Amino acid sequence: GESVGLHLPTLSVQEGDNSIINCAYSNSASDYFIWYKQESGKGPQFIIDIRSNMDKRQGQRVTVLLNKTVKHLSLQIAATQPGDSAVYFCAENNQAGTALIFGKGTTLSVSS
Amino acid sequence: DGGITQSPKYLFRKEGQNVTLSCEQNLNHDAMYWYRQDPGQGLRLIYYSQIVNDFQKGDIAEGYSVSREKKESFPLTVTSAQKNPTAFYLCASMGVEGDNEQFFGPGTRLTVL
Repeated sequence: GESVGLHLPTLSVQEGDNSIINCAYSNSASDYFIWYKQESGKGPQFIIDIRSNMDKRQGQRVTVLLNKTVKHLSLQIAATQPGDSAVYFCAENNQAGTALIFGKGTTLSVSS
Repeated sequence: DGGITQSPKYLFRKEGQNVTLSCEQNLNHDAMYWYRQDPGQGLRLIYYSQIVNDFQKGDIAEGYSVSREKKESFPLTVTSAQKNPTAFYLCASMGVEGDNEQFFGPGTRLTVL
């Protein structure tokens, strides 16, 4: 079936370090992937997305890498700040392209 | 301001009662979604609607019902048939053209007493 998963449930880094959050997906037909950030008690916020015709996309301090060969997605956060502490979810579109399938999330903790 | 609003933020319900969660958007989006989130878990799709007067079951629709009478509104009813309704409920919307980015509301935390 369709599923999206993450390699690690938690990640702890020091302020200023670079963070890498990984995600594996199972549907090789997915053509759209997205990363969300969710702070405690709030709804998810869009970070960055990527289509399957790309390998890399950069935003402000964030980069998403897509490796279709091994069905792997990663989010890189440069110079991680305490405000980056949150749960990060990857998601892919379903086979019909009508909804997103979410992974379980990685909790990023940034210490000063 | 454009966005998605959900109300109430916190909701308490007695066992055996139905309760309706509100979701409104002024983004002129065609598609709307309801997700359930349990502690430490990802988002699971309950129902979604791509157009007014039409909706589809998601992965965990049992015990829930929805309606889509207006483009702006997509209320979710948690019925007494839902055996474990305590959770955080998130509503989202998406334009059907262009990117598939979903915009989320702030969520409603439902607790069954």
